Amino acid sequence: AQTVTQSQPEMSVQEAETVTLSCTYDTSESDYYLFWYKQPPSRQMILVIRQEAYKQQNATENRFSVNFQKAAKSFSLKISDSQLGDAAMYFCAYRSAAWGNDMRFGAGTRLTVKP
Amino acid sequence: DSGVTQTPKHLITATGQRVTLRCSPRSGDLSVYWYQQSLDQGLQFLIQYYNGEERAKGNILERFSAQQFPDLHSELNLSSLELGDSALYFCASSVSTGGQVADTQYFGPGTRLTVL
Repeated sequence: AQTVTQSQPEMSVQEAETVTLSCTYDTSESDYYLFWYKQPPSRQMILVIRQEAYKQQNATENRFSVNFQKAAKSFSLKISDSQLGDAAMYFCAYRSAAWGNDMRFGAGTRLTVKP
Repeated sequence: DSGVTQTPKHLITATGQRVTLRCSPRSGDLSVYWYQQSLDQGLQFLIQYYNGEERAKGNILERFSAQQFPDLHSELNLSSLELGDSALYFCASSVSTGGQVADTQYFGPGTRLTVL
């Protein structure tokens, strides 16, 4: 079964600085998708970024980018120019490309942004 | 606003009772997913429906059931409620057409269930 591990329960970053959140996963599949979701205090789950495993190029969305290392099964999220509004829980998620498979979430990393 | 709606926002009930949570997917989305998030924990997948049919099942208890109706809205029924069922229940939807198995899931605001 696929598992997703976020080894950093909490992280802190100074406003305008850069922070990297770690995520590793375990799978025997070759075709899958990886996601980062953000959950602010409102508890809404908001998609931050998505990566297809077949793509070598790392996904980017404005200040958010990932470092996808398929062989190492690592999928880290880099937040540049951190803003106060980035403070939230961040969840890494894995989903197989096969039908009938659910999305697996990590335990989350709580990010604090200091002014 | 993701376009996914969930009602009610909050629900307080007693042990042993039964409740129904409702979800309306984004316009055009055929798949609906249900997740449970207990306090300060990650999301646990419960079940997925695609165009009215059950497509995938996670760690859903036998006391829980769901269905998706012809208009594509979905309901999650929780019965014989226990204290441990207190959680935030999310619904998500995705298009799931054209072979896009892992298309992006968009989440609703959640229903917070408190069992006393």
